[in-house]
Amino acid sequence: KAGVTQTPRYLIKTRGQQVTLSCSPISGHRSVSWYQQTPGQGLQFLFEYFSETQRNKGNFPGRFSGRQFSNSRSEMNVSTLELGDSALYLCASSRTGPANTGELFFGEGSRLTVL
Amino acid sequence: AQSVAQPEDQVNVAEGNPLTVKCTYSVSGNPYLFWYVQYPNRGLQFLLKYITGDNLVKGSYGFEAEFNKSQTSFHLKKPSALVSDSALYFCAVRDNFGNEKLTFGTGTRLTIIP
Repeated sequence: KAGVTQTPRYLIKTRGQQVTLSCSPISGHRSVSWYQQTPGQGLQFLFEYFSETQRNKGNFPGRFSGRQFSNSRSEMNVSTLELGDSALYLCASSRTGPANTGELFFGEGSRLTVL
Repeated sequence: AQSVAQPEDQVNVAEGNPLTVKCTYSVSGNPYLFWYVQYPNRGLQFLLKYITGDNLVKGSYGFEAEFNKSQTSFHLKKPSALVSDSALYFCAVRDNFGNEKLTFGTGTRLTIIP
């Protein structure tokens, strides 16, 4: 069974640009969450999507947005990039409802460098 | 608000010795606790979880953790450390199953010395 797939794995952008990251969850998983990992702030929750709806949102500015498609794949977008947005962005998927076993399954991440 | 604390940034253990990585938590209701491991330039790998039931939880790669409600702790343990256990370990908590949000600790870098 394929795991969570994130693309691209690495990317470099310059300040002011925007970026879109993609996440394909494990087959059958309908919840997708995004996390930002930086050396200074650690792992921080960005948002969670289920059935194409954002169910939960972390404390990030409006430049960070996301969406989920009908096949549960998700994208996140960061506009007007700042140097501080350089981070590893992790996507996680999970089962929902009675099949929810509690843990999240993470992808390998997309490492964004902003110059 | 839920939170976890990992009091040690770095833990060094000799190969073959037992290891412990500490975690304490704070939640308003019943805690759902997790340990994840991260290798360099990789995502997070699930190790084990406590949802309910036995306080001693066994997980992947010979790791186990003990849930202690009175001390609000969930320490990760392994009887005999391997060099390959060297990695970054994260404790995490969620407060209910309707909320997929995990709150992570700051991480503990475990180094096993040959």
